[in-house]
Amino acid sequence: QVQLQESGPGLVKPSGTLSLTCTVSGDSISSNNWWTWIRQSPEKGLEWIGEMHHSGTTMYNPSLKSRVTISVDKSKNQFFLKLNSVTAADTAVYYCASADNYVTVYWGQGTLVTVSS
Amino acid sequence: QSALTQPASVSGSPGQSITISCTGSSSDVGGYKYVSWYQQHPGKAPKLMIYEVSNRPSGVSNRFSGSKSGNTASLTISGLQAEDEADYYCYSYTSSRIYVFGTGTQVTVL
Repeated sequence: QVQLQESGPGLVKPSGTLSLTCTVSGDSISSNNWWTWIRQSPEKGLEWIGEMHHSGTTMYNPSLKSRVTISVDKSKNQFFLKLNSVTAADTAVYYCASADNYVTVYWGQGTLVTVSS
Repeated sequence: QSALTQPASVSGSPGQSITISCTGSSSDVGGYKYVSWYQQHPGKAPKLMIYEVSNRPSGVSNRFSGSKSGNTASLTISGLQAEDEADYYCYSYTSSRIYVFGTGTQVTVL
């Protein structure tokens, strides 16, 4: 059974950088899956942020592309999200997930990140 | 890429059938078989209910079914039960090689 767990600060200051880690168990980061970040807020609903394959290929939501970086650490079986220049609009529950053949099956439990001074 | 359009709410009595629509364009729903549906209970992560338009993952009740016609996908819940009360989201791959969610539908069991 694949399990994903998000971790990181729950509070980020405006104009700062949001950094989250997703730890994967039950599967290898080096598998053929795409490692995905999704967020959810009352204002925007569910929003796909982007994904990365262990080969290094990344795809980002154009609305966030200038501020987002997704990366992986194969040695730790983890992948990461960095979102720069955050504002209150980036306050959301952030989920990590895995996608196989265009199907996102496994999700983490989600972590709330609040942008506030 | 705009969110796919779903009705804000749908309701039904126990035992009835309801259908939730998800309208996109030829660049997403209409152009690919990669349409999924998720169920989300309050405070929980979304759960995959349907993938590739009409396939059910192992363990999902056969009361849930999916279909597509043109740019609109649909999720039907038959024999509605109290436990089906939740939010439902459609999700589609797009021609931009990214994914887009639907606006979400709140299902109420009367």
